[in-house]
Amino acid sequence: GAGVSQSPSNKVTEKGKDVELRCDPISGHTALYWYRQSLGQGLEFLIYFQGNSAPDKSGLPSDRFSAERTGGSVSTLTIQRTQQEDSAVYLCASSFTMGEKLFFGSGTQLSVL
Amino acid sequence: GENVEQHPSTLSVQEGDSAVIKCTYSDSASNYFPWYKQELGKRPQLIIDIRSNVGEKKDQRIAVTLNKTAKHFSLHITETQPEDSAVYFCAASKRWSQGNLIFGKGTKLSVKP
Repeated sequence: GAGVSQSPSNKVTEKGKDVELRCDPISGHTALYWYRQSLGQGLEFLIYFQGNSAPDKSGLPSDRFSAERTGGSVSTLTIQRTQQEDSAVYLCASSFTMGEKLFFGSGTQLSVL
Repeated sequence: GENVEQHPSTLSVQEGDSAVIKCTYSDSASNYFPWYKQELGKRPQLIIDIRSNVGEKKDQRIAVTLNKTAKHFSLHITETQPEDSAVYFCAASKRWSQGNLIFGKGTKLSVKP
């Protein structure tokens, strides 16, 4: 596709359930980022992948959060045992390489009831 | 890790006036400073960026200035228009060495006609 694709666009889950969020970056982009945006708030860095290097996980808020990127392309963000405070928009972005313009997906709105 | 502070959190100006948003960063090794604009309900988009080897960059009505000594950079919008109303985010990263992009908390700009 022409842009960064995220799925699902909306996810409603019950507290304690696990969720998986998917990001399909722009073809050829080596860098992939996950951010979290709570209502009316800023862009909270979660995790960053660059090529085949070990990901920078320094932004993950707890060990319930994990992410992987398979084959240097698609990425999945997994949240285990979801809590109400996990409710937010999860944004994925990709760039051709590090330090270049980020192209954002439209996000996944996660609601934990 | 890097920390980016952004001020003000909200800014209201009259159409035609100028708007200035200021950011400070903590890591003196940071060398790439982009600005993103997020309109209501939309994804963030890059509007301008500056690298540490220059002090100022201009693109039509927007300009960014960088003071490396003070670890401070600013966005200037002249002749504001209603369509400039959005949330603006500054960010910082260490391009070429550590690409994760850390954002400020955003400034909600309202331009009144």
